[in-house]
Amino acid sequence: GENVEQHPSTLSVQEGDSAVIKCTYSDSASNYFPWYKQELGKGPQLIIDIRSNVGEKKDQRIAVTLNKTAKHFSLHITETQPEDSAVYFCAACLSSGTASKLTFGTGTRLQVTL
Amino acid sequence: NAGVMQNPRHLVRRRGQEARLRCSPMKGHSHVYWYRQLPEEGLKFMVYLQKENIIDESGMPKERFSAEFPKEGPSILRIQQVVRGDSAAYFCASSPTGVNTGELFFGEGSRLTVL
Repeated sequence: GENVEQHPSTLSVQEGDSAVIKCTYSDSASNYFPWYKQELGKGPQLIIDIRSNVGEKKDQRIAVTLNKTAKHFSLHITETQPEDSAVYFCAACLSSGTASKLTFGTGTRLQVTL
Repeated sequence: NAGVMQNPRHLVRRRGQEARLRCSPMKGHSHVYWYRQLPEEGLKFMVYLQKENIIDESGMPKERFSAEFPKEGPSILRIQQVVRGDSAAYFCASSPTGVNTGELFFGEGSRLTVL
């Protein structure tokens, strides 16, 4: 099956700085890579995703890059704000026939300080 | 359009009791996934269901755990004879077409505490 590793587990940045979270995956057949943000006591919410036919995707202050050869993908948040503080999860999707499921990384707790 | 609805949000059970967690997917979504999250850990896949069918239960413990998604009504995750190690947050997610072609939407979770 798929295995996703995520680093760092905690990240503290000052407001306005950039934050980068990195993930690696094991199965080269994985083809969809979403990122989720989870606030305290809430369910995860999709913030950005990328498919394997694209190398980079950007949405305002958030960008994701994918390197299929190296099997790693990264989340970049620029001009961080206090409301960016949350736990971020990367995931990889592996399809088998009609079945598909997300395998998640262990999460990165991002703290944006004033 | 209401999101994924899970209930109860919090459930306390004593060891040996049964826990039933319910999930109503978003309107029009026929694919349901259950994930378990232990404190300070990531989300672990448990089971993937479509209406009346279990598609993938590779993440579900073989004993005491079962899941269903009937033709009518919510998806149910059932845990029999709960033990302390079952204490976790259980998240349900739904998708219109399966996660490889559509976004996965999560509910707020059901937090199970086993005393």
